[in-house]
Amino acid sequence: DVKVTQSSRYLVKRTGEKVFLECVQDMDHENMFWYRQDPGLGLRLIYFSYDVKMKEKGDIPEGYSVSREKKERFSLILESASTNQTSMYLCASRDGTGGTGELFFGEGSRLTVL
Amino acid sequence: QKEVEQNSGPLSVPEGAIASLNCTYSDRGSQSFFWYRQYSGKSPELIMFIYSNGDKEDGRFTAQLNKASQYVSLLIRDSQPSDSATYLCAVSGSYIPTFGRGTSLIVHP
Repeated sequence: DVKVTQSSRYLVKRTGEKVFLECVQDMDHENMFWYRQDPGLGLRLIYFSYDVKMKEKGDIPEGYSVSREKKERFSLILESASTNQTSMYLCASRDGTGGTGELFFGEGSRLTVL
Repeated sequence: QKEVEQNSGPLSVPEGAIASLNCTYSDRGSQSFFWYRQYSGKSPELIMFIYSNGDKEDGRFTAQLNKASQYVSLLIRDSQPSDSATYLCAVSGSYIPTFGRGTSLIVHP
């Protein structure tokens, strides 16, 4: 079974702190994604990586950056956390063949910024 | 901007009934269509995918795709209380899938 592991299920941070969210997948997938999910707004794409060291901005990249130094790991970085970044963050991976396959999600990281 | 529209619900059906969930999309170039189920506090999990026009059945679930109308639906037969969840429609044309906001389904005994 594909496993996507997010490092922290729950985090509480203070405004202005730098926050790292880590995601690791064990299926050698080329594509990895970071979404945030908020009530009534659904899943919104923050960043997408189609291969190692490659990244593309999603719909809401402002205030976020990402790192993909190794194929299995995709990190989301909040350079200076703000209260409006309080949300559920979901990482997903996908086999890159054809670019249209199923996404496998991690369990999510619920971030609260005070 | 590519859009995927779903009725947010909640859709309430009695146990044993058929639940019908609908989704429309704006990008005519879309090639892959997915239905994910998300229980409260959990992450989405795939339940169905469909690539071609017509129906695709898997157990109690049937996905229906009509590309001309840009419409995809999910039917759940013999609905069970355990089917109560939010159902997300996702559409993919080139690399980046677009998700609808989800429809909340409640199956009451």
